[in-house]
Amino acid sequence: DTGVSQDPRHKITKRGQNVTFRCDPISEHNRLYWYRQTLGQGPEFLTYFQNEAQLEKSRLLSDRFSAERPKGSFSTLEIQRTEQGDSAMYLCASSVLRGVPDTQYFGPGTRLTVL
Amino acid sequence: AQTVTQSQPEMSVQEAETVTLSCTYDTSENNYYLFWYKQPPSRQMILVIRQEAYKQQNATENRFSVNFQKAAKSFSLKISDSQLGDTAMYFCACLTGANSKLTFGKGITLSVRP
Repeated sequence: DTGVSQDPRHKITKRGQNVTFRCDPISEHNRLYWYRQTLGQGPEFLTYFQNEAQLEKSRLLSDRFSAERPKGSFSTLEIQRTEQGDSAMYLCASSVLRGVPDTQYFGPGTRLTVL
Repeated sequence: AQTVTQSQPEMSVQEAETVTLSCTYDTSENNYYLFWYKQPPSRQMILVIRQEAYKQQNATENRFSVNFQKAAKSFSLKISDSQLGDTAMYFCACLTGANSKLTFGKGITLSVRP
């Protein structure tokens, strides 16, 4: 059973650059979530998809952030014009909707450092 | 909106002993789910245990069990026979039926001493 995978695992970039992260959910999982975790804190919700539809976005997700899930499989999270405050671990999770909220399974995360 | 509070930043336990991690939550929803996740150092977050709020019986999973007090909005995790591999950060989280996002506490760092 292949779990949730994320790429890259680490990204170092300079302020002002654009970055893109990828998440591959567990196959047959129709829900995909993005969270952000800063050091010493719990993850905070950013956005989620059901199949290819983006159903909810947090106010944490500024205009510089965009997420897609074009074919209802993998997802990408892009951050434009990165700022030092964007430095964090970006976590992806997936679940399968069976009429009731199901358990979310997390990937290893992408650690972003903005210099 | 829901909130999750973990007031203990860290705890330490001797190997083979029992430890309890505290969590309180607040939600206006009647239908919700509670979780404990474990995040080992530099490793990914994994599910420890899950509790449906409509179930009165406390969930158990091998050495892990919860004490779910719905009226008090308390959801503590008990780890029995602690092992070195239990050393990790533990997060309590709440998920409601109204939306699907998990709301996490700040986490607690658990160290198991040999």
